[in-house]
Amino acid sequence: GQQVMQIPQYQHVQEGEDFTTYCNSSTTLSNIQWYKQRPGGHPVFLIQLVKSGEVKKQKRLTFQFGEAKKNSSLHITATQTTDVGTYFCAGPREGSQGNLIFGKGTKLSVKP
Amino acid sequence: EAQVTQNPRYLITVTGKKLTVTCSQNMNHEYMSWYRQDPGLGLRQIYYSMNVEVTDKGDVPEGYKVSRKEKRNFPLILESPSPNQTSLYFCASSPRGGANTGELFFGEGSRLTVL
Repeated sequence: GQQVMQIPQYQHVQEGEDFTTYCNSSTTLSNIQWYKQRPGGHPVFLIQLVKSGEVKKQKRLTFQFGEAKKNSSLHITATQTTDVGTYFCAGPREGSQGNLIFGKGTKLSVKP
Repeated sequence: EAQVTQNPRYLITVTGKKLTVTCSQNMNHEYMSWYRQDPGLGLRQIYYSMNVEVTDKGDVPEGYKVSRKEKRNFPLILESPSPNQTSLYFCASSPRGGANTGELFFGEGSRLTVL
């Protein structure tokens, strides 16, 4: 069945280093969403990408949607301790009206 | 304040004792959904609702029931809880569902332990 995979599962960085998480779908996605979950918190929406090849920026965060609409990435420049958390990608399940399938997430820790 | 409210936030119960986790949103959203989060498994969808009186199974519906009698409420019912339903549960809502599901707004989560 359809899968949404994220790598890496964990990433430990020194504050100031860059960080990238990758999301790969086994099928073409109509759109992809990214969420951040702080430790002990709930997922919070970051962004939605819809167009092939789309690139969006939010301050130090850069989101990309692949040309084939099967992969996406989130890049954080110069990480800060406030970036700590788990980052999830999510896309619509093929053939489903309202089933959103999430990747297992990338857990980011930042050493000050 | 726009929010999704879940209750209870924490619950310890015993096998077989029926329980309901309530979820309410004040944003007039059409779409609502329940997820469970387990270590190493990420967020898995239990049930979702495209609108009032319209519900459908997600990826892990076994052992759960839902209802959507009003737009704002989407309770999750565990008729006979078992230890494998020990998990962190999130309710979420969105202005729209379908292939272009809009931004999901999540509740604070309900941590359930079944002994």
